[in-house]
Amino acid sequence: DSGVTQTPKHLITATGQRVTLRCSPRSGDLSVYWYQQSLDQGLQFLIQYYNGEERAKGNILERFSAQQFPDLHSELNLSSLELGDSALYFCASSVVLGGPETQYFGPGTRLLVL
Amino acid sequence: AQSVTQPDIHITVSEGASLELRCNYSYGATPYLFWYVQSPGQGLQLLLKYFSGDTLVQGIKGFEAEFKRSQSSFNLRKPSVHWSDAAEYFCAVGARNQGGKLIFGQGTELSVKP
Repeated sequence: DSGVTQTPKHLITATGQRVTLRCSPRSGDLSVYWYQQSLDQGLQFLIQYYNGEERAKGNILERFSAQQFPDLHSELNLSSLELGDSALYFCASSVVLGGPETQYFGPGTRLLVL
Repeated sequence: AQSVTQPDIHITVSEGASLELRCNYSYGATPYLFWYVQSPGQGLQLLLKYFSGDTLVQGIKGFEAEFKRSQSSFNLRKPSVHWSDAAEYFCAVGARNQGGKLIFGQGTELSVKP
């Protein structure tokens, strides 16, 4: 158990819908990262937050957004969902911004868009 | 641009045999390097990491990896594989000047024959 929690574990929804994925980092970790794992793209970095502020963006679609709250939990919002958004979404956390720091991964949320 | 290559998509070894999983990276400076393991339906567990110093690093579950700057490689090894090692293994590189985001290889799926 990494100490990073993600909810829900599984999510099934329809095209065009909007979902919210939630992540609670390890106690004391200020930095949260979101990754998407899909069969065709592999594991890709989406976005990073540090202490409530966005710090880095990767290959995140405009339909996706995220935020980190004062209690440091983070939410990833996916809207106007398409079939291709079906994937495993991971959250990771680390203590500080930048490196060298180890990122600890949550169990993931598996999203299926029908 | 940074990249990570895991040349072997799938490897099968016999239980008790030695294992080496290859990882090559492309990065302009000394990177942070990681190996993670993902069991079916599970999240990513950190096996080991290299930040600096001794180029041979030890990890959990009897794994080790060697950083070879001249070859831009960070291969993962285990002297004797156990059936429980069957999983997918990911090599990742972190950039020292780009926050903490990780670039992952495509993964190597390990099967273990009895």
